[in-house]
Amino acid sequence: NAGVTQTPKFRVLKTGQSMTLLCAQDMNHEYMYWYRQDPGMGLRLIHYSVGEGTTAKGEVPDGYNVSRLKKQNFLLGLESAAPSQTSVYFCASSYSGGPQETQYFGPGTRLLVL
Amino acid sequence: AQSVAQPEDQVNVAEGNPLTVKCTYSVSGNPYLFWYVQYPNRGLQFLLKYITGDNLVKGSYGFEAEFNKSQTSFHLKKPSALVSDSALYFCAVRDRQNFNKFYFGSGTKLNVKP
Repeated sequence: NAGVTQTPKFRVLKTGQSMTLLCAQDMNHEYMYWYRQDPGMGLRLIHYSVGEGTTAKGEVPDGYNVSRLKKQNFLLGLESAAPSQTSVYFCASSYSGGPQETQYFGPGTRLLVL
Repeated sequence: AQSVAQPEDQVNVAEGNPLTVKCTYSVSGNPYLFWYVQYPNRGLQFLLKYITGDNLVKGSYGFEAEFNKSQTSFHLKKPSALVSDSALYFCAVRDRQNFNKFYFGSGTKLNVKP
């Protein structure tokens, strides 16, 4: 099993450009999450999904959109990138949303917005 | 509001000595507590979690953590540090009412010197 994979690993965008980050998991997990990691701030939840076809807002959703058309994939979109969105983005998944569930993380995508 | 505090940005310890990485939390009700480790250019990896029961939780790679409800703390410990333990450590918390969301601390960089 590959676990959680993320595409691309690194990307440079100009302000105003758009892009989509892809997260894929092969563990048949119901729940998927997108986080951003900024220096000194830990991880902050952007959006999450409790199952195929569902999405919900997290702590910092502004400027991002997500889709979960297939159970194994969770896409994060930036419609008009801003320098404030320079960050490292992590996708995670868990079997269910139970509080005892462990989240499994992907390797991350480094995004630089100029 | 939920919060997780890791009061030390960095912890330095000599190989073979015991290590402690501190975490305190502010969550309503009885929380679920987690520790994750992040190696350079990698995603977060699960170390251990406290759900209920024994206050001393044992996890991967010889790490353990002690839940102290009165002090609202969940410090990570290891009796004898290894150079390979050098990494970034994150404490995370979930509460019972809103367990779809993780709240992460800002991270503590552990440096183990030979």
